[in-house]
Order: sequence, then C-alpha cells, then structure tokens
Amino acid sequence: GAGVSQSPRYKVAKRGQDVALRCDPISGHVSLFWYQQALGQGPEFLTYFQNEAQLDKSGLPSDRFFAERPEGSVSTLKIQRTQQEDSAVYLCASSFSTGANVLTFGAGSRLTVL
Amino acid sequence: AQTVTQSQPEMSVQEAETVTLSCTYDTSESDYYLFWYKQPPSRQMILVIRQEAYKQQNATENRFSVNFQKAAKSFSLKISDSQLGDAAMYFCAYRSVTGANSKLTFGKGITLSVRP
Repeated sequence: GAGVSQSPRYKVAKRGQDVALRCDPISGHVSLFWYQQALGQGPEFLTYFQNEAQLDKSGLPSDRFFAERPEGSVSTLKIQRTQQEDSAVYLCASSFSTGANVLTFGAGSRLTVL
Repeated sequence: AQTVTQSQPEMSVQEAETVTLSCTYDTSESDYYLFWYKQPPSRQMILVIRQEAYKQQNATENRFSVNFQKAAKSFSLKISDSQLGDAAMYFCAYRSVTGANSKLTFGKGITLSVRP
C-alpha cells in the first residue's frame, strides 16, 4: 500500500475485554515498530519486529500485551483483559530496512477502555 | 538510556512570523540521528526534518530549519513564515545508529498554535 494502515481507528472496550489492533505496513518494509501514546504525551516504544522475528519487546508494559507478525508483513497487537490505563493511541511504524533512519507512521488506533 | 526533553508544553505564533521550538537530549553516544515530527489532530506522525549527528551543518527543509548544538545536546526547530497549517503537536526524537532495532525515543511534545 501507499502508507501504513491501522485498524480499527477507534475501539471502545469494556474493562476485562480482549482487543486486537492491526497494522498493515508499507509493502516490502522489513522493520515494524509499535508505540503507545497516552493523551498529551509522546509515543513510548512497545516492541520491534524485523520481518517475522520479534527482536525487542522490552517496552511491553505487562504480559497482557502480545504482538505478532507471523508472515513478516501484517502485525497484530493484542491486549488481554484490558484495563483503564491501557487507554491510549497505539501507533505502528515501518521502515524499508533495518538501517533506514526514517520511519513511516500509521494514523494509529485509539483505544478507550471503560 | 537516552532521554529527550521538551520543556515547553505550548507555544503560540502569529501567522507569517517565526517561532523556535526547543529540545534537549541526553546520550553517551557520539553518533545518532535527531528528528522533529509533526502530529496534527489526524494523529499521523509526519517527519518534518532530520539531522545526522556527525554532520556539522544544520539541516534545512524549506521553511523549517534546525539549530543543532552537539556539545550542548540541544536541537531546536525554527519555523519561518508560520502558516495556519503548521498548527499541531511537534515531537523531538532521538535514534541511535547502532543496532538494527534502534527505536525512536520521543520527547513529550509541544503544542503549537498559529494565530491568524
């Protein structure tokens, strides 16, 4: 695709529900990042994939957060048993190569947990 | 670990005037990348300008330029001839050049408003 596509744009979940957020990176992009952006704050790193390999998951806040990229293209961020503090915008970004210094971001998925 | 600090939460500028957004960072590395990103209400992060730390010359992109002071670890963004479309949140970000999985570290951002 022409850009990084994320879905859904908006998600409202009741506390305790599981959610899945999808990221379609630019075709051929090797690197894929997930970030969490709380209201009025800067994005915080969650996890990084190089193709299908998850090379860094140091930013995932708890074991309720899980990300995958099984075929090295589309990625899914799953949050189990959502809590109110999980409410945030989740941004996905991709780049063509591991050494590329420019990331292309998606428009994000806004999660609201009631 | 690297940190990025944007101490001004908000700034305002008159249309057609010039504004400077401040950013400082902390790192023990000698080579790295610095970025300014713009995030309008649509939420999509848009790259405004980037600077390689090994380059002494300040980066410039049309109305946008930076003042990179490596010794002071300062990286400010100057917007000339401000336009209404420049209103957005602006984030300063740092990225290491070492390691294949070097992630962006962002500041907290600054909200820029442009007065007509």
